[in-house]
Amino acid sequence: DAGVIQSPRHEVTEMGQEVTLRCKPISGHDYLFWYRQTMMRGLELLIYFNNNVPIDDSGMPEDRFSAKMPNASFSTLKIQPSEPRDSAVYFCASRYTGELFFGEGSRLTVL
Amino acid sequence: SQELEQSPQSLIVQEGKNLTINCTSSKTLYGLYWYKQKYGEGLIFLMMLQKGGEEKSHEKITAKLDEKKQQSSLHITASQPSHAGTYLCGADRQNFVFGPGTRLSVLP
Repeated sequence: DAGVIQSPRHEVTEMGQEVTLRCKPISGHDYLFWYRQTMMRGLELLIYFNNNVPIDDSGMPEDRFSAKMPNASFSTLKIQPSEPRDSAVYFCASRYTGELFFGEGSRLTVL
Repeated sequence: SQELEQSPQSLIVQEGKNLTINCTSSKTLYGLYWYKQKYGEGLIFLMMLQKGGEEKSHEKITAKLDEKKQQSSLHITASQPSHAGTYLCGADRQNFVFGPGTRLSVLP
């Protein structure tokens, strides 16, 4: 298997623009997690899905953030409008049972 | 405060030295995971511990779980530059959470 695939790897955008991050989980995994990592706050759980259904989105910072999982092989994390404080590395991870498998992350810079 | 605390925050050791990283939970641990992250990369799974007193080893890395103390330790024997990176512990509570990480540098 190719592992968890995230795109884009790097994104530089200006404040106010819409940002969409994409994730393809490992086939057969029924849990998908979105995390944000910064030096100040570490690795924060934003939202997770089970069988494409959002289970816990209490970590989503505010209404500017939204996540969807239209099918078992694809998820998006959208920020609209983006702000400089959203600059971070965003990770997607999936699991069936046991450990999480992480993607390489999407590094977002908002100017 | 964080659900998982790690100590130390950072560690610098000379190659060949042993070291220990600790992870303490504010809640009962039912499953504890150790991951390693190199700068700019994703997290790589190292080991999972589920039972009190359980101990697992992989190459020169040993992890133990003390369920009663809600703690886990990660021990590296005879450290090498390849061990450098950030080590994170994670707890499986459906909403999988992580500690802040311990940054390890190994000087050649």
